[in-house]
Amino acid sequence: NAGVTQTPKFQVLKTGQSMTLQCAQDMNHNSMYWYRQDPGMGLRLIYYSASEGTTDKGEVPNGYNVSRLNKREFSLRLESAAPSQTSVYFCASSDWTEANYGYTFGSGTRLTVV
Amino acid sequence: AQSVSQHNHHVILSEAASLELGCNYSYGGTVNLFWYVQYPGQHLQLLLKYFSGDPLVKGIKGFEAEFIKSKFSFNLRKPSVQWSDTAEYFCAVMGDTDKLIFGTGTRLQVFP
Repeated sequence: NAGVTQTPKFQVLKTGQSMTLQCAQDMNHNSMYWYRQDPGMGLRLIYYSASEGTTDKGEVPNGYNVSRLNKREFSLRLESAAPSQTSVYFCASSDWTEANYGYTFGSGTRLTVV
Repeated sequence: AQSVSQHNHHVILSEAASLELGCNYSYGGTVNLFWYVQYPGQHLQLLLKYFSGDPLVKGIKGFEAEFIKSKFSFNLRKPSVQWSDTAEYFCAVMGDTDKLIFGTGTRLQVFP
């Protein structure tokens, strides 16, 4: 099915470990995003990519890096995980044609840092 | 900068009750407004969106929202809720970039 695919779905890391969250979309969308969701704080934008080859910081970029590998894929890397990065991470892509104006979200990655 | 406020953090209703969830935004220019729903354990899904035109927007599952520019509000309504509407609801705003800024969410619990 067309959509946004995130891997892994669950992950437990020890403080200081690194990992990469993968995201791929097959809808030919130009823009892609990484959000984190924490209780009582809604979704906060970490990084976004308006097009292949470009990335920009969002509200909470510290401790993260991203790569827009190609039009389909947008990965999020934690170089040295901290307990404060325990969260649910959502990738999204967007299409700005009138009929499909909006975001499509992936199913999320639940990350726990111990 | 854009911001969104959702003042109702947790709403508890009985089935068939009417629902209104508040959303206020802060932005001086033209905005696009959205309501998303997140059912337990799932990702966000679009309920409805406003770009321009009729300020009363109808979405899926019987939800509607009204854009009141003078009040900077975009409240979500449903005349009669069902148990299956139990979820978290997020209001979001987009200004002159294609970044969505979300509110903190409202958790709705509907009891039979």
